[in-house]
Amino acid sequence: DGGITQSPKYLFRKEGQNVTLSCEQNLNHDAMYWYRQDPGQGLRLIYYSQIVNDFQKGDIAEGYSVSREKKESFPLTVTSAQKNPTAFYLCASSIGPGRADEKLFFGSGTQLSVL
Amino acid sequence: GQQLNQSPQSMFIQEGEDVSMNCTSSSIFNTWLWYKQDPGEGPVLLIALYKAGELTSNGRLTAQFGITRKDSFLNISASIPSDVGIYFCAGQLRGGATNKLIFGTGTLLAVQP
Repeated sequence: DGGITQSPKYLFRKEGQNVTLSCEQNLNHDAMYWYRQDPGQGLRLIYYSQIVNDFQKGDIAEGYSVSREKKESFPLTVTSAQKNPTAFYLCASSIGPGRADEKLFFGSGTQLSVL
Repeated sequence: GQQLNQSPQSMFIQEGEDVSMNCTSSSIFNTWLWYKQDPGEGPVLLIALYKAGELTSNGRLTAQFGITRKDSFLNISASIPSDVGIYFCAGQLRGGATNKLIFGTGTLLAVQP
């Protein structure tokens, strides 16, 4: 089936530890995104990438890092600099920039909690 | 970051009732998208709107792109228990340099059987 796969579903982070969330898509989409969701709030953009080997900071990039070495993969690392990492993380993809019929497709999310 | 004004924040209704929710902004949008999110899952796209005044249906769901390009509404007719979830609107700004979408804060829908 075509879609976006996030793993793991649940992740626990210890103090001072970096953790990496995986996102893979087989939709052949150029653009990929990472969002953070906190209870009762809308989605906030962390990072996005419109093409391989290029990515841009979103609204809340501090304490996070990404890479885009392959079209289908866009991993997110939550670093120890992120002091409040507990949240639900959503990866998304879209066909590509500049399209009039833009729409985002989401993965099933990763719940990150601090031990 | 900018967010859309989505209302109501929550709704508690009886099965069979109709539901209406809306999103408004002071900015002009090119695109409106409506998503539904079940607990612990990612949002699923319900309806996409690309033209001012456009009215689109998906089963019991109907959404419209406001004529001013600054608002959109979603209606659900004859609600059923599986309609429970959080509904998000998302809009793409006209003239935006990227494909970033701006999301509303969500409407929590609870349906009493």
